Amino acid sequence: GENVEQHPSTLSVQEGDSAVIKCTYSDSASNYFPWYKQELGKGPQLIIDIRSNVGEKKDQRIAVTLNKTAKHFSLHITETQPEDSAVYFCAASKGGYQKVTFGIGTKLQVIP
Amino acid sequence: SQTIHQWPATLVQPVGSPLSLECTVEGTSNPNLYWYRQAAGRGLQLLFYSVGIGQISSEVPQNLSASRPQDRQFILSSKKLLLSDSGFYLCAWTAARTNEKLFFGSGTQLSVL
Repeated sequence: GENVEQHPSTLSVQEGDSAVIKCTYSDSASNYFPWYKQELGKGPQLIIDIRSNVGEKKDQRIAVTLNKTAKHFSLHITETQPEDSAVYFCAASKGGYQKVTFGIGTKLQVIP
Repeated sequence: SQTIHQWPATLVQPVGSPLSLECTVEGTSNPNLYWYRQAAGRGLQLLFYSVGIGQISSEVPQNLSASRPQDRQFILSSKKLLLSDSGFYLCAWTAARTNEKLFFGSGTQLSVL
């Protein structure tokens, strides 16, 4: 089955700096890659997603890039703010959430 | 707009006791429904999913069961809890038509002592 590896597991950055979280996947048939943000004690929330026919997608301060050949995708957060502190999960899917596979998560801490 | 309700928020149960967690979705019809478990410091593990009333698929063998008695209601149960059942349980839904974007509930923190 699909295997998604995510790193780093923890990441500390100064406010205003950029943060990058990387994920790799194993199944070349995966075609949908969402990213979720989970604040303490809450459920994860979808923040951005990308499909396999797109190389990059941006939404204000967050962006995701996908390299299908290398089977890796990354989340980029620019001008980080304290409210960006959370756990971020990447995921890969071949279609339909029955078969989505999540990464283990990255705990991001933005230091004011 | 669509909303998902999950309760209780926290639960402390003794080993061997029964469990019932409930999840309801409002503002949509015929959603696909999911139960996930998140162990401390771990990722999200899919436990059950349902594409319709009475239709339950289990992803991993375990001490838990799920039921969907109504279109927008999903219940996670156990007859006898184990210590290993402790964790953060999340209900989620997707629109049946697209079945892509997952919307999670606020979760239930279950501690089995």
